Amino acid sequence: GQNIDQPTEMTATEGAIVQINCTYQTSGFNGLFWYQQHAGEAPTFLSYNVLDGLEEKGRFSSFLSRSKGYSYLLLKELQMKDSASYLCAVRDWSNDYKLSFGAGTTVTVRA
Amino acid sequence: SQTIHQWPATLVQPVGSPLSLECTVEGTSNPNLYWYRQAAGRGLQLLFYSVGIGQISSEVPQNLSASRPQDRQFILSSKKLLLSDSGFYLCAWSVGRSGANVLTFGAGSRLTVL
Repeated sequence: GQNIDQPTEMTATEGAIVQINCTYQTSGFNGLFWYQQHAGEAPTFLSYNVLDGLEEKGRFSSFLSRSKGYSYLLLKELQMKDSASYLCAVRDWSNDYKLSFGAGTTVTVRA
Repeated sequence: SQTIHQWPATLVQPVGSPLSLECTVEGTSNPNLYWYRQAAGRGLQLLFYSVGIGQISSEVPQNLSASRPQDRQFILSSKKLLLSDSGFYLCAWSVGRSGANVLTFGAGSRLTVL
């Protein structure tokens, strides 16, 4: 597998910022994805990184460092609806381009 | 636009009974199709993927099988369910398999084996 690690749970206050870290090990890195999954629902795509640096999409940003095998998802101005599980996934060309997922980080936003 | 349909949404089956989950994609041709399983508190596990009609790659040896009888139809089956088969099953599709090709998931099928 791709040994994808991310924290199990995080809690933050509405309006605050939360950073979800993801580390991975892969032989043929071909991109990193972040997905959001609300309880009982399917994952939905949030962001994609393949080059080092920060990708910003509104309140959500994703960062990648390929040399460190590290990414983070930054959620700003947290809203109650952001309470969900956030999945880090890595594509590996040496593994037939399959997308492997971490176990997910459950973020709880409190009022 | 492309849409993915997956059914049934929920099912409860006894141990030893058969299973059939169906997934169809609309609005695209020759999609890559996937079946994932998500057990409670665990990551998504890739079960099968298909790059074309009749082409199935199996990731995990188990009592499940998959078939792709038509270009946009992907079926997950079992002849005899085990308790360990309980979980949330997700069908997904993508245009291609490399780089930025995003996996889009169906709504999922929650299976409980009793």
